[in-house]
Amino acid sequence: KNQVEQSPQSLIILEGKNCTLQCNYTVSPFSNLRWYKQDTGRGPVSLTIMTFSENTKSNGRYTATLDADTKQSSLHITASQLSDSASYICVVSGQVGGGGNKLTFGTGTQLKVEL
Amino acid sequence: GAGVSQSPSNKVTEKGKDVELRCDPISGHTALYWYRQRLGQGLEFLIYFQGNSAPDKSGLPSDRFSAERTGESVSTLTIQRTQQEDSAVYLCASSPIRDRGHVAEQYFGPGTRLTVT
Repeated sequence: KNQVEQSPQSLIILEGKNCTLQCNYTVSPFSNLRWYKQDTGRGPVSLTIMTFSENTKSNGRYTATLDADTKQSSLHITASQLSDSASYICVVSGQVGGGGNKLTFGTGTQLKVEL
Repeated sequence: GAGVSQSPSNKVTEKGKDVELRCDPISGHTALYWYRQRLGQGLEFLIYFQGNSAPDKSGLPSDRFSAERTGESVSTLTIQRTQQEDSAVYLCASSPIRDRGHVAEQYFGPGTRLTVT
């Protein structure tokens, strides 16, 4: 069964600090791995997408890593801001017919950044 | 530019009633997905439309759930005889054609929060 597990479930950090979120997956076949940020009451917004051949990708203060051998990914947030408070969701994509992507979602890490 | 829109944003219905949720994808996006997000849980894939191909309905949880899409435009998700377990946020996402070697991004709408009482 395709699964995506994230840790920690929730995290509280002080503004300006760094943090790292973890994602382990068992999705097969593997197409790509995505990290999304979901603010309360909003739809997910993409942060990074990595394919099998990529092991790191950055988007501003967000840096994602991927180890396809161990099926692990991490999302590192640098110099956190209050606006980073959100749920961070790891999503792994297999492939469906017609070139689309069927996504398996993790349950997310709820991050709260405090003053 | 306009993103994916969904309506209504909130829907409260009585158990046993039918509901219809609407998704307007980004213009030109051929792929459209429906997901369900229960409180405190991850998103569950429901159904996928790609152009004129037969939809992938493998994620629909029961025959009370159905979805339609007219061409490459609006989609509606219908839940018949709603149950309390259907209470969730229903998210729609659209995606452009997947070019060879390019991973197509999915753009999500804000969701419809369904509450079945």
